[in-house]
Amino acid sequence: QSALTQPASVSGSPGQSINISCTGSSDDVGAYNFVSWFQQHPGKAPKLIIFDVTKRPSGVSNRFSGSKSGITASLTISGLQAEDEADYHCNSFTSSTSLYVFGSGTKVTVL
Amino acid sequence: QAQLVQSGGGVVQPGGSLSLSCGASGFGFSSYAMHWIRQAPGKGLEWLAVISFDGTNANYADSVRGRFSISRDNSENTLYLHMNSLRREDSAVYYCARGDYYGSGYYPNSNWFDPWGQGTLVTVSS
Repeated sequence: QSALTQPASVSGSPGQSINISCTGSSDDVGAYNFVSWFQQHPGKAPKLIIFDVTKRPSGVSNRFSGSKSGITASLTISGLQAEDEADYHCNSFTSSTSLYVFGSGTKVTVL
Repeated sequence: QAQLVQSGGGVVQPGGSLSLSCGASGFGFSSYAMHWIRQAPGKGLEWLAVISFDGTNANYADSVRGRFSISRDNSENTLYLHMNSLRREDSAVYYCARGDYYGSGYYPNSNWFDPWGQGTLVTVSS
C-alpha cells in the first residue's frame, strides 16, 4: 500500500490561507469518507485536527477545515498564524489489507 | 482528560523481540478501539495495527503482520505491542492512539486517532 501523496512543503504569510492536498486512489480517499488530518510540531506527538473529511474535534480552531473531491482530500488553514508552522499528515481508511494509510507529510512554513 | 502514557522501547538486536505498553487514563478505555503507529526518523507516519474495543479482533499492516502482535488488558487499562523478528527498518518512534468509540478493529465508525501517547523510540541495531 503506497502512502497518500502530499506536497513536501507549503508556505504562506501570516493572515493568508493555504491548502494542503492529499491524493489517494479509489481504494481509499475516493471510496470512504474516513479521512483525517494531523498536526505535528517538532519532537511532539501528532494531534488530530480534522476527522471524517470535514469534522473538527472539540477545541480545534475553526481556522482548520477539510474537504474532499474524488480521490483528493484537502486541508485549508485560514488566517495563517506562526503557531501553525508544523508538519501535517493526512490519513485514510483503505480497502487494502493494511486498513489505514497515511500521507507522506507536508511541512508548513509561515513566512 | 484522556491521556496515554507509553513505556518500553530501547535498543534491540536484529532478529530480537521487544514489547511496548500504553497506559490509558481519563476515559473509558474498554469502550474504544486502539491503534499503534510509528514514525521512522525524518519520515512520515505508518499505521501498524488496530485492536477492537473488547480485544476480540485485531488487524495489521502488511509490513508487520506475522511479526507484531497487538493486545489489550481492559482490566488494567493497558494496550500492548509485542514485536518479534525485528529488522533494522523497524527502527522508529512508536505511538499508541485511541481509536473510534466501540470500534470493531475493522471498518471504523469514525476515522478517529486521538489522543496519542508521547511516543517511544525503538532502535534495531547490532
